[in-house]
Amino acid sequence: DTAVSQTPKYLVTQMGNDKSIKCEQNLGHDTMYWYKQDSKKFLKIMFSYNNKELIINETVPNRFSPKSPDKAHLNLHINSLELGDSAVYFCASSQAGQETQYFGPGTRLLVL
Amino acid sequence: AQSVSQHNHHVILSEAASLELGCNYSYGGTVNLFWYVQYPGQHLQLLLKYFSGDPLVKGIKGFEAEFIKSKFSFNLRKPSVQWSDTAEYFCAVNARNYGGSQGNLIFGKGTKLSVKP
Repeated sequence: DTAVSQTPKYLVTQMGNDKSIKCEQNLGHDTMYWYKQDSKKFLKIMFSYNNKELIINETVPNRFSPKSPDKAHLNLHINSLELGDSAVYFCASSQAGQETQYFGPGTRLLVL
Repeated sequence: AQSVSQHNHHVILSEAASLELGCNYSYGGTVNLFWYVQYPGQHLQLLLKYFSGDPLVKGIKGFEAEFIKSKFSFNLRKPSVQWSDTAEYFCAVNARNYGGSQGNLIFGKGTKLSVKP
């Protein structure tokens, strides 16, 4: 079974649309993260959730909003998509006190 | 601000050659160090990690890395690469006390390794 899963794997959409990416982990971890990997492969943290509470929030536009219905899920909702949002978005999870993060397969978002 | 530097953008080797990928970080406090690998079209996978203890750590697939605190370095090595090692390699640092954040991984920009058969 996949430890960290994301859906969809690919997402192609028009500028101005609103879209969501889902992430689920079955590792029993209590912290989940979203990363953005740009066209140059640079990975940057966007958000993390610990026990349903946002604990870090790097300087991302407020068009991006993480939503965590429970500690096994952390979804990423993006409003008014822009061309610059095109990237690969990775979800990850970890257990508090154990700093190793486990990554999902990524969602390749292309905004046209 | 804390940062992670990977010196080589693209490394091209022939099979059986030895590999060393450089990684330096800037942070004076307690750090955890990681190397992740991303095979073409795949997600990030943990190669190895250092939290404490023996500064020479061994990971999967014959990789190892050495933490040299005085040099703020965590270089990745493999004595003999294979074609299947072709991938992107990312060094990452977790600085738990920085800005009160926890679990905030800072990644280097990655090194692309191409191994010629």
